[in-house]
Amino acid sequence: DVKVTQSSRYLVKRTGEKVFLECVQDMDHENMFWYRQDPGLGLRLIYFSYDVKMKEKGDIPEGYSVSREKKERFSLILESASTNQTSMYLCASTTQGPPYEQYFGPGTRLTVT
Amino acid sequence: DQQVKQNSPSLSVQEGRISILNCDYTNSMFDYFLWYKKYPAEGPTFLISISSIKDKNEDGRFTVFLNKSAKHLSLHIVPSQPGDSAVYFCAASARGSGNTPLVFGKGTRLSVIA
Repeated sequence: DVKVTQSSRYLVKRTGEKVFLECVQDMDHENMFWYRQDPGLGLRLIYFSYDVKMKEKGDIPEGYSVSREKKERFSLILESASTNQTSMYLCASTTQGPPYEQYFGPGTRLTVT
Repeated sequence: DQQVKQNSPSLSVQEGRISILNCDYTNSMFDYFLWYKKYPAEGPTFLISISSIKDKNEDGRFTVFLNKSAKHLSLHIVPSQPGDSAVYFCAASARGSGNTPLVFGKGTRLSVIA
């Protein structure tokens, strides 16, 4: 079974703090993704990566950066956390070929106060 | 501009009856469609998918129908069970366009009432 793990289930940070969200997958997937989920807005893509050291902006990259130094690990960084970044953050991974299903981690509920 | 639309934010169904969740898309390049189910405080889990070369795919109580001419797909759950209560996301992919991310709809919250 594919396993995608995220470093924290719940996180509370203060405005202005630098926040690191870590994601690790154990199935040698090339592609990894970061989403945020907010009520009424669905899943919005922040950044994705097709290979080590590669990154692509998604639909809402502002205020975020990412790092992929190893194939299995994809980190999301909030350079200076703000209250509007309070959200559920979801990491996902998939292969580049079939099957095309993305496998999601359990999510990190981040609250910025 | 939303390429994948789920126009019903919520749906309530009696236990044992059929649940029908709908999804519309605008991008004619989409050739692979998926449904995900999400419980609160958990990540989405893959439910069922369909390729554009098919018009129906069935897996147990779940069936997905695709109408390419109408750019519409639907997920049928028969019979509905209380454990099906969750948010359902429709997603689409343009595999023929290379390595592109899935595009998700905003989700439909299904409540199955016992």
